[in-house]
Order: sequence, then C-alpha cells, then structure tokens
Amino acid sequence: GENVEQHPSTLSVQEGDSAVIKCTYSDSASNYFPWYKQELGKGPQLIIDIRSNVGEKKDQRIAVTLNKTAKHFSLHITETQPEDSAVYFCAATPLNTGNQFYFGTGTSLTVIP
Amino acid sequence: GAVVSQHPSRVICKSGTSVKIECRSLDFQATTMFWYRQFPKQSLMLMATSNEGSKATYEQGVEKDKFLINHASLTLSTLTVTSAHPEDSSFYICSARDQEGTEKLFFGSGTQLSVL
Repeated sequence: GENVEQHPSTLSVQEGDSAVIKCTYSDSASNYFPWYKQELGKGPQLIIDIRSNVGEKKDQRIAVTLNKTAKHFSLHITETQPEDSAVYFCAATPLNTGNQFYFGTGTSLTVIP
Repeated sequence: GAVVSQHPSRVICKSGTSVKIECRSLDFQATTMFWYRQFPKQSLMLMATSNEGSKATYEQGVEKDKFLINHASLTLSTLTVTSAHPEDSSFYICSARDQEGTEKLFFGSGTQLSVL
C-alpha cells in the first residue's frame, strides 16, 4: 500500500518568514495530493490540493509543488502570520478508485509574533 | 468547500454506556465516509470505511462489535462506541468523500469522547 512520509514534525518560524513542509509518497498510482490544516480541538480543513497533471498550484499565500518523478510534494506558506500556527497534514490517494486517503504524520507549525 | 457536520462535539459518559456520533454531509452525497481516531499530537488513524447501504470495512485491529458503524443514507453515517471504557477516550473524526463531484475529502469537526 501507499506510504506517506512528512517532514519536519515541528517547525517554528518568525512572523513574515516562509515555511516549507515536505512529503514523499511511495505508490506511483497516487495522483491526488491534498493538504489539511488542523487547529487544536477541530477537524482537519482542506487548504489546497494538487493533481498529478499539474506541477504547481498557488492560492494567495500558500502554494503546493509536485515532483512526480521523485514522488514528493511540498507545501509553501509565505508571509506567515500567527494564525497560520496549526498542525498540517499531507495526504495522497489515487482518484476514481474509492480508496482511502493516506496521511502523513503531521507538522506542527508555530509562527512566532 | 463542502460541509461535513459532526455531532456531538464533546461527550462525557460513564464506563459501560454506549455513545453514538453522527456525521452528515450537508451539501453533497457521500457514498463513502471514513472514521478516524486521533490521539494527542498524533496523526489520523483510520478505523473504518463506511459505504452507503453495505457493511463497513474495518481496519486491522479495530473491533467491529465495539465500534458499530451504520451508513444508512448518502448523507449520514453513525459511529456507536458500545460499552465504552476509559481506554476508548479519544478524539473521533469523520470524513466524507465527494465522489460524484470533486472527489475531495472533507472532515467533520471531531468528537472528543471522555469515558469516566
């Protein structure tokens, strides 16, 4: 089955700096890669996603890049703000199969004011 | 994005009682819903996959008689923790996949279960 690894497990940045979280996957059949943000005591919220036919996607201060050959994808947050502090999870799955989503182990991001 | 409603958000119960958690997809139909358990500062642990109109598929090590899942309609799945014990205390989260639309996965807000 699919194996998703995520690094780093914790990340602290100064407000205004950029944050990068990286994930790797093992199954070449995976073609959909979402990122979720989870605040304390809440369910994960989808913040951005990318499909394998695209190399990069951007939405305001967040962007995701995908390298299919190397089987890794990354989340980039620019101009970080204290409200970006949360746990971020990456995931991978093959679409159109009804398969489960395979999640990384999470990154706890702290933005220091 | 689509909305998944999960209730209750928090429940405290006595050991030996049963607790039911509801998960509803409000603006899309979900033939598949997933139930997760999450321990503090850990990732999401898939418990079972709930398919509308059929029996749930449980992950290895998850007791199906302990965690009863019912997915009676395209918008509602329930998880019942039967004869709860303190070790069942955890954060339970449901999710629903918009399979007929975007195929994206959306999560409920979670249920914090505390068994005394």
